[in-house]
This record gives sequence, structure tokens and C-alpha cells, in this order.
Amino acid sequence: DAGVTQSPTHLIKTRGQHVTLRCSPISGHKSVSWYQQVLGQGPQFIFQYYEKEERGRGNFPDRFSARQFPNYSSELNVNALLLGDSALYLCASSLLGGNYGYTFGSGTRLTVV
Amino acid sequence: AQSVTQLDSQVPVFEEAPVELRCNYSSSVSVYLFWYVQYPNQGLQLLLKYLSGSTLVKGINGFEAEFNKSQTSFHLRKPSVHISDTAEYFCAVSDKGNTPLVFGKGTRLSVIA
Repeated sequence: DAGVTQSPTHLIKTRGQHVTLRCSPISGHKSVSWYQQVLGQGPQFIFQYYEKEERGRGNFPDRFSARQFPNYSSELNVNALLLGDSALYLCASSLLGGNYGYTFGSGTRLTVV
Repeated sequence: AQSVTQLDSQVPVFEEAPVELRCNYSSSVSVYLFWYVQYPNQGLQLLLKYLSGSTLVKGINGFEAEFNKSQTSFHLRKPSVHISDTAEYFCAVSDKGNTPLVFGKGTRLSVIA
């Protein structure tokens, strides 16, 4: 079985642009969460979706948004990019909405210049 | 809100020596605890988790951790490390229920030949 798939793997954007990151969960997993990992830090929670509904949101500005599709894949959108948005963006999926064990993807490395 | 403190940012250790990576979390009535490993340019891989039951948890790659409620700790141990264990290790906690993972800042384990 394929694991959690994220695309693209690397991305370079200019300040002020917007970006869309994509995530496909493990087959059968209905919950997707997004985390931001700045260099040298632990991952920070951005969003959780379960059954296509937002179930949680971290302390991030409204420039960050996400959605989950009927096939449970998800997109993370970031508008008006800032240099500080440069980070590894991780997607994690789980079978249920709970946190009994998330499986993480390899992430999308976003560099804002 | 939960918080996690990983007391050591870097831990160098010789090959075949034992290692302990320390993790303390803020107090809560009941928690789930996790250790993840991150190899360079990769996502997070679950090493082990404590949900309930025995306080000694065994994980993959020979790692184990002990949940100590009175000291609010969840230290990770391995009796004999290998070069391949060189990586970043993250401790994470969540309140029981559908709450997101809160990560520590990570401990970089460097195994020296």
C-alpha cells in the first residue's frame, strides 16, 4: 500500500505569491492534518480535517487555508507568502479523527525568496 | 495547552553505547505520548506510542520508552545504538480525544563510529 503522498516535494516561490500543496492519505484514512516545520524546530499544527470538515486549526494567520475532498485528499493553500513561510510542510493521515497514530508523508519543502 | 520539553538539543554517543533522550510534558489528566524519528530530508516515522496500559513501551528499531506520570516524563532509550540511528528525534503529546499533536523541538542524535 502507498503511504501518505505529498506533492510537490520542493517548491520555490517569491514573496507575495500564493502556493497550493497537495496530500493524498493512506487508502481508507479519513483524517488529514497539516503541520509546518521550520528549520531547527518541531512541527507546528496548522489544520486537521476529518470527513471533509475542519476539526481543528492552529495558531496561523488567515493566509493559510485548507480543504479536504470527497476522496479524502487535501490541499493546503497559503496566500501572500512571506519569507517566514519557508518551511517543510508535513501532511499526516489517520484512520479515524483521533490521534492514535498518524502516518506522515515526506513533506513539501517550500522556499520563499 | 500542552507543551513538550526535550531537554537536550544534541546528544553525541559512540556506536554500541546506550542512549537516553529525555522528554517532559506539561501536566494533564490523561495524555497520549509519541516518539517520532526524522532522517535527513524525510518526513516523520513513528517509533512508539503510549496510549494506556503498561508504562514500558517497546517500539521499532530496538527503542523503548517509559511513561512516568508522577514526573510527567516519557524518556526514550536504546541499549546499543548504531550508526544508522543518527537522526532527529521528536517527542509529541496530545490530550486524550481528538486534539492535535504538540511536538518538542527535537533532539539530534549523532552516533560516532
